Amino acid sequence: DSGVTQTPKHLITATGQRVTLRCSPRSGDLSVYWYQQSLDQGLQFLIQYYNGEERAKGNILERFSAQQFPDLHSELNLSSLELGDSALYFCASSVDSGSSYNEQFFGPGTRLTVL
Amino acid sequence: GENVEQHPSTLSVQEGDSAVIKCTYSDSASNYFPWYKQELGKGPQLIIDIRSNVGEKKDQRIAVTLNKTAKHFSLHITETQPEDSAVYFCAASGTGFQKLVFGTGTRLLVSP
Repeated sequence: DSGVTQTPKHLITATGQRVTLRCSPRSGDLSVYWYQQSLDQGLQFLIQYYNGEERAKGNILERFSAQQFPDLHSELNLSSLELGDSALYFCASSVDSGSSYNEQFFGPGTRLTVL
Repeated sequence: GENVEQHPSTLSVQEGDSAVIKCTYSDSASNYFPWYKQELGKGPQLIIDIRSNVGEKKDQRIAVTLNKTAKHFSLHITETQPEDSAVYFCAASGTGFQKLVFGTGTRLLVSP
């Protein structure tokens, strides 16, 4: 158990809908990262938040957005869903003090199925 | 930006054999290289990492080597067991606020 929690574990929805994925980082970790893993694909970095502020963006679609709250949990919002958005979505967290090495610990993921 | 290549994409070995997975990276500023194991239906699990100030690190049956000059790093698993079967990912990063860049993964199958 990495200490990172994600809810829900599974999510089935229809095209055009909007969903919210939730992540709670390990105790003491200030950074949260979101990744997308499609079938037979590697881990694609979406976005990073550090202590409530957006830190880095990767291959995140404009239909997707995220935020990190004062209690450091994060939510990833996916809207106008398409079939191709079906994937595993992982959250990871790290201390990220600025001078530390970037050890990231992953949650169990949310499997999103868009029908 | 950083680019990480990983080979092979699949690797089949017999139980007890050794397995080696190799990665190359492009950004000479990268100095942190973790390896993750992902079992079916689970999130990636950090199994070992190496920092640029060392050339080799070992943890029981797992070892990682780093050649900064050639920008290569490798994962070595000795005395493989069926429970080692999983997808393994390498990654590279700098220190501080820098995202990890992952390789494309290696599916390791250990046959009894």
